[in-house]
Amino acid sequence: KQEVTQIPAALSVPEGENLVLNCSFTDSAIYNLQWFRQDPGKGLTSLLLIQSSQREQTSGRLNASLDKSSGRSTLYIAASQPGDSATYLCAVKPGPGANNLFFGTGTRLTVIP
Amino acid sequence: NAGVTQTPKFRVLKTGQSMTLLCAQDMNHEYMYWYRQDPGMGLRLIHYSVGEGTTAKGEVPDGYNVSRLKKQNFLLGLESAAPSQTSVYFCASSYSGRGEQPQHFGDGTRLSIL
Repeated sequence: KQEVTQIPAALSVPEGENLVLNCSFTDSAIYNLQWFRQDPGKGLTSLLLIQSSQREQTSGRLNASLDKSSGRSTLYIAASQPGDSATYLCAVKPGPGANNLFFGTGTRLTVIP
Repeated sequence: NAGVTQTPKFRVLKTGQSMTLLCAQDMNHEYMYWYRQDPGMGLRLIHYSVGEGTTAKGEVPDGYNVSRLKKQNFLLGLESAAPSQTSVYFCASSYSGRGEQPQHFGDGTRLSIL
């Protein structure tokens, strides 16, 4: 069974710092990987989706990379802001016809003004 | 601009009681999903639906039932609630099951079983 791990569980950084969040998965046979943001008491918002054939995706200050062979993905946040404070989750889709996403437990990010 | 709406937002039940969680989406999505989120664990899929009138089991379906009588609604039922079902429940929808289509999530229902 696919297992998705996110370390660290929590991270605090001062405003303006660049940071990297990590996601690892045990089975490299994935279809795609998504990064989500979850604010307290809210649902998940999709940030970036990387297909298995892609190496990275960018959206504004966010850049997600994927190394399928090593079972790793990173989410890079440039020039962090207090508004970036949230829990960031990654999830992998096993195959094109699969309906299940395997989620990590998330990294809770706090950006200190 | 509603997206995915879940009702209720909070609920406290006693063991053995039953209830239904409602999920409604206004994006004309074919696929709908119910997840539960527990501390220290990632979201886990309970049941899902690939279209009106269809349902299928996910990773943790025991103790739950679902129905999709209308395309825009997906109901999650607990027939006899147990303390182990205390969790935050999220509904999601997507245009299709293709991996390129992101899932859109509701804000969750926080359910406590005493």
